[in-house]
Amino acid sequence: EPEVTQTPSHQVTQMGQEVILRCVPISNHLYFYWYRQILGQKVEFLVSFYNNEISEKSEIFDDQFSVERPDGSNFTLKIRSTKLEDSAMYFCASSVGLRNEQYFGPGTRLTVT
Amino acid sequence: SQKIEQNSEALNIQEGKTATLTCNYTNYSPAYLQWYRQDPGRGPVFLLLIRENEKEKRKERLKVTFDTTLKQSLFHITASQPADSATYLCALEGTGGYNKLIFGAGTRLAVHP
Repeated sequence: EPEVTQTPSHQVTQMGQEVILRCVPISNHLYFYWYRQILGQKVEFLVSFYNNEISEKSEIFDDQFSVERPDGSNFTLKIRSTKLEDSAMYFCASSVGLRNEQYFGPGTRLTVT
Repeated sequence: SQKIEQNSEALNIQEGKTATLTCNYTNYSPAYLQWYRQDPGRGPVFLLLIRENEKEKRKERLKVTFDTTLKQSLFHITASQPADSATYLCALEGTGGYNKLIFGAGTRLAVHP
């Protein structure tokens, strides 16, 4: 069964460093998303991406964040200068179309020290 | 703004019984609603999607209802098993139309043998 994959599973970085989180969405899906979940809190929407551009972004997704689909299979989230409060689980998701179920990856646990 | 409420207290039930979880929402009329399962440290796993014109949806031992008048969805697991123990998340389509999901805090279900 096709699934969303994410690498790395755990990333430790120092405050102020740049990180890139990687995702491979399900191959026939057209819509891609990033969410995050701070420990013990709700899953929060960050950004949606379609047709090589951002469709929507939340208030959390400020200038420090960017997304890219560098080739036909990868989807990345970059945090330019990490802060302590960026520590969270980051989930990538994809869906085949609008208003369809979203399939989530296993997540990348980001720890900023 | 949109608000989603799920029972914050854990639900403890005996194996073989039916578990019923509640999701209430306010200030919005979503076109659809989704239910996910989340195990500790893992990504949400899609279970069921129900649209505003559907009253009920079933999949194996799972059933979801969607009452747009009451602004409520009920999620049922019949013949529950210890393996069903997890946190169950309700997620609504956010405003904007690009598939942004707004998640509830989840209800933790514990099924005891």
